[in-house]
Amino acid sequence: AQTVTQSQPEMSVQEAETVTLSCTYDTSESDYYLFWYKQPPSRQMILVIRQEAYKQQNATENRFSVNFQKAAKSFSLKISDSQLGDAAMYFCAYRGQGGSEKLVFGKGTKLTVNP
Amino acid sequence: GAVVSQHPSWVICKSGTSVKIECRSLDFQATTMFWYRQFPKQSLMLMATSNEGSKATYEQGVEKDKFLINHASLTLSTLTVTSAHPEDSSFYICSARAWLAGGTQFFGPGTRLTVL
Repeated sequence: AQTVTQSQPEMSVQEAETVTLSCTYDTSESDYYLFWYKQPPSRQMILVIRQEAYKQQNATENRFSVNFQKAAKSFSLKISDSQLGDAAMYFCAYRGQGGSEKLVFGKGTKLTVNP
Repeated sequence: GAVVSQHPSWVICKSGTSVKIECRSLDFQATTMFWYRQFPKQSLMLMATSNEGSKATYEQGVEKDKFLINHASLTLSTLTVTSAHPEDSSFYICSARAWLAGGTQFFGPGTRLTVL
């Protein structure tokens, strides 16, 4: 079974600085999708970024980018120019390509942004 | 685009009563929806996968007779917590899979259930 590990329960960053959140996963599949979701205090889950495993190019969305290392099974999220509104729980998630459509979530990293 | 709504956002009920939670995809059709439960300061736990026009697939340990799921249309799935007890108090979140977005799941805002 696939597993997703987020080794940092909590992280903090100064406003306008850069922070990287770690995520590793375990799978025997060669084709899959990886996601970062953000859950602010409102508890609404918001998609931050998505990466297809077959794409070598790292996904980017404005201030958010990933470092996808397929061989190492690593999928870290970099947040540049951190803003107060970035404070939230961040969940890394995995979805296989065939059969199951389920998302496998990590335990989350709580990000605090200090003014 | 890809907006998912949930209703109600907050419900309090007496022990022994049933509660229905609705999940709607507002601007896309979703043949597959998912129901999660989230305990405080924890990750999301998948309860079941809801497929339009067929029976839901429940995760191991989830009582299908207690958590009734109906996915009668391409935009609506409902979760009914039957004979609710205080231990069913939790935050319930649905998601809908959007084919036009590569099958990405988009989440509703969640429903906080409190059973007295």
